Amino acid sequence: SQQGEEDPQALSIQEGENATMNCSYKTSINNLQWYRQNSGRGLVHLILIRSNEREKHSGRLRVTLDTSKKSSSLLITASRAADTASYFCATATGSNFGNEKLTFGTGTRLTIIP
Amino acid sequence: NAGVTQTPKFQVLKTGQSMTLQCAQDMNHEYMSWYRQDPGMGLRLIHYSVGAGITDQGEVPNGYNVSRSTTEDFPLRLLSAAPSQTSVYFCASSHTGVGMGTQYFGPGTRLTVL
Repeated sequence: SQQGEEDPQALSIQEGENATMNCSYKTSINNLQWYRQNSGRGLVHLILIRSNEREKHSGRLRVTLDTSKKSSSLLITASRAADTASYFCATATGSNFGNEKLTFGTGTRLTIIP
Repeated sequence: NAGVTQTPKFQVLKTGQSMTLQCAQDMNHEYMSWYRQDPGMGLRLIHYSVGAGITDQGEVPNGYNVSRSTTEDFPLRLLSAAPSQTSVYFCASSHTGVGMGTQYFGPGTRLTVL
């Protein structure tokens, strides 16, 4: 089974509203990353939060990490039509520097309704 | 910089045929990896490399070979294509291991095996 599981699988909201998606994982991690994928395109890195951090902001993005619950959330505030995409969490695990691996979840499909 | 480039964009193979998916990056990144993306499965790691001459297996390596003779290039070879290898393939690179930095993704190769 996947290390990271996003919830919900799909989300539709009105433009201007906030969007929240969640990610749960199973094992200890070094960091957790969020990526965006527009339809038919490659993934674009959004934000990285380290295991010793609890919250991080980047523009309209806010990420939280709760290592005790093995979960993370991504909040997109004041959504725009251009935010329509799939969002993936990815967990970095491994014990050797430079040899970590990144394991992706199944993604949340976000649709912003104009 | 062109970033991460992949060729071809689309490919149709017959069962049993072999081919090589090309990946190149011009950012002088040491770490490169190959993923496949299937509907509802997220991205799964096939093979990765932490530098020229060094490769290792990921989660789903069977049926694929890689080599890393230069820092820039990381080709993925399908030895004898099977319908189960129908997928979208993404190459990614990063300056350091995934525990430290952002992964940059190519645009993907959509492969269909008949």
